[in-house]
Amino acid sequence: GESVGLHLPTLSVQEGDNSIINCAYSNSASDYFIWYKQESGKGPQFIIDIRSNMDKRQGQRVTVLLNKTVKHLSLQIAATQPGDSAVYFCAERGGGSNYKLTFGKGTLLTVNP
Amino acid sequence: DADVTQTPRNRITKTGKRIMLECSQTKGHDRMYWYRQDPGLGLRLIYYSFDVKDINKGEISDGYSVSRQAQAKFSLSLESAIPNQTALYFCATSRVETGELFFGEGSRLTVL
Repeated sequence: GESVGLHLPTLSVQEGDNSIINCAYSNSASDYFIWYKQESGKGPQFIIDIRSNMDKRQGQRVTVLLNKTVKHLSLQIAATQPGDSAVYFCAERGGGSNYKLTFGKGTLLTVNP
Repeated sequence: DADVTQTPRNRITKTGKRIMLECSQTKGHDRMYWYRQDPGLGLRLIYYSFDVKDINKGEISDGYSVSRQAQAKFSLSLESAIPNQTALYFCATSRVETGELFFGEGSRLTVL
């Protein structure tokens, strides 16, 4: 039969605006979270991380917020630039000794000039 | 030079052929991983290795095998490639302490 392609969630913003990308995670025992950026034709690159004993962490133009009550993670990008256009993935590390990361499906951010 | 290097970057092959994707790293990390990326499905873990003598299956290991030849080298093999193994494959490394992954540039495999 005909297959239906799976589409990434997308976010389109104007250059200079702030962007907020959201992620819901599934494992209440996860103790570490990372946001990755993947540009077209490249491998994912680390942006920022946060441990479960924190609810906010700031980097350069980026902020990650963690709400453990509702198992929600967000990435805020200030003054979004065309170079921020990419797919953004959240990843969670389950509590325990194996330190394996589980990735979300990603959000495509498009920045319009 | 890239810290995590994958070869080949692109490969087209036919159903039934044996394919090997190679990964080498200069980061000195003990842990290495192979992920598969498909549109709309994100990254899924195929195999991982926490040191040279430790190999573990990930969530989608069927149809794949791996070899950890040295701390710096981790190869992924498809013994008999099939079309639904067409995907973008990533090798990654991590430090024990944090679990943060460092990715290679990817190997795009097409099975006809």
